Amino acid sequence: GPKVLQIPSHQIIDMGQMVTLNCDPVSNHLYFYWYKQILGQQMEFLVNFYNGKVMEKSKLFKDQFSVERPDGSYFTLKIQPTALEDSAVYFCASRNRGGTGQLYFGEGSKLTVL
Amino acid sequence: GDSVTQMQGQVTLSEDDFLFINCTYSTTWYPTLFWYVQYPGEGPQLLLKVTTANNKGISRGFEATYDKGTTSFHLQKASVQESDSAVYYCVLGNYNQGKLIFGQGTKLSIKP
Repeated sequence: GPKVLQIPSHQIIDMGQMVTLNCDPVSNHLYFYWYKQILGQQMEFLVNFYNGKVMEKSKLFKDQFSVERPDGSYFTLKIQPTALEDSAVYFCASRNRGGTGQLYFGEGSKLTVL
Repeated sequence: GDSVTQMQGQVTLSEDDFLFINCTYSTTWYPTLFWYVQYPGEGPQLLLKVTTANNKGISRGFEATYDKGTTSFHLQKASVQESDSAVYYCVLGNYNQGKLIFGQGTKLSIKP
């Protein structure tokens, strides 16, 4: 089936550093999402993105977070600077216009902030 | 705002047992409800969806319906197998905003 690829699968960084998580969404999809999952807890919505703009963001999407998809390349989540509480698995998802509303998720990028 | 609540954090069954997982939802929009399943080390994947109250969604032996009156949504399977071990999420879809709201998840463990 359709695949969403995420790079890296795991990153360890020191608090205060910048990190960029990359997502290669399903090729004809138009809507992109980031979700955050702290170990053993539920999936929490961060942000969705369409036509070059943030459509909606949650309270978890702090000022240190940003997203972009320059020229149809990777859809990225950047955190600058990182904090200890940013340690989590970040899942990228994408969907097409209309349809079933189904989101296709990647396998996640595990971020560890020391 | 929209929300989903799953009270069963963990369910342990034996093979061939009957599975029933329930959740409740709250929304001001006309809901579309999903069950997503997450296996270890993977992202969530769609199991099934239900767009109309009292209609049944069916996939891979799992069935789901939601009741608008009680705002409840359940997932069931007649006979579980060890391969069904995973975390099951009740998910509320908001077409207008295009986002999914996840419940807390129910971890299903199957004893061989």
